[in-house]
Amino acid sequence: DTGVSQNPRHKITKRGQNVTFRCDPISEHNRLYWYRQTLGQGPEFLTYFQNEAQLEKSRLLSDRFSAERPKGSFSTLEIQRTEQGDSAMYLCASPREGFYGYTFGSGTRLTVV
Amino acid sequence: AQSVAQPEDQVNVAEGNPLTVKCTYSVSGNPYLFWYVQYPNRGLQFLLKYITGDNLVKGSYGFEAEFNKSQTSFHLKKPSALVSDSALYFCAVRGYNDMRFGAGTRLTVKP
Repeated sequence: DTGVSQNPRHKITKRGQNVTFRCDPISEHNRLYWYRQTLGQGPEFLTYFQNEAQLEKSRLLSDRFSAERPKGSFSTLEIQRTEQGDSAMYLCASPREGFYGYTFGSGTRLTVV
Repeated sequence: AQSVAQPEDQVNVAEGNPLTVKCTYSVSGNPYLFWYVQYPNRGLQFLLKYITGDNLVKGSYGFEAEFNKSQTSFHLKKPSALVSDSALYFCAVRGYNDMRFGAGTRLTVKP
């Protein structure tokens, strides 16, 4: 248990459907990060929050992607009108105090058919 | 901008032999460097980090890494590889707002 929880673990959806993923970060930290990892590649930064404020979203892949963190605790990542190219692992991460690095959740694997 | 590069897609070693997974970095200022490991269908697990201090950093599962400022490298090492070390390894550098990862190196340890 890393302290960062992601749901669901797996999601299979048909092309054109909307999907939403949830992340519950380490409770004492106010920053939360979303990454995408395609097969055989390193994680790619998407966006991050400080409390409920989304401070960087220019790296979101298209306007079909959006993220929220309404109360500064859990966060959701939504993909609208999914495409086959959206198939990937979506990772959430949270800093740990005094650690300088991030702790990652187990990820949500999305398959678009 | 901060970045790391992993020049090898794949590293194969025999069980019991030493292993090295290479990483080079490009940063402005002092680097905060990390190694993570990923097993199939899992998230990333932290192995070790270099922030400051000794150039040889020891981490989890017997892994260590050597920070070399003149060569801008941060290679991951282990004196004696295990079959269970077979996984995907990522080098990463901490930027101001995010963490940047290399493309990964697949380590295969054969019995």
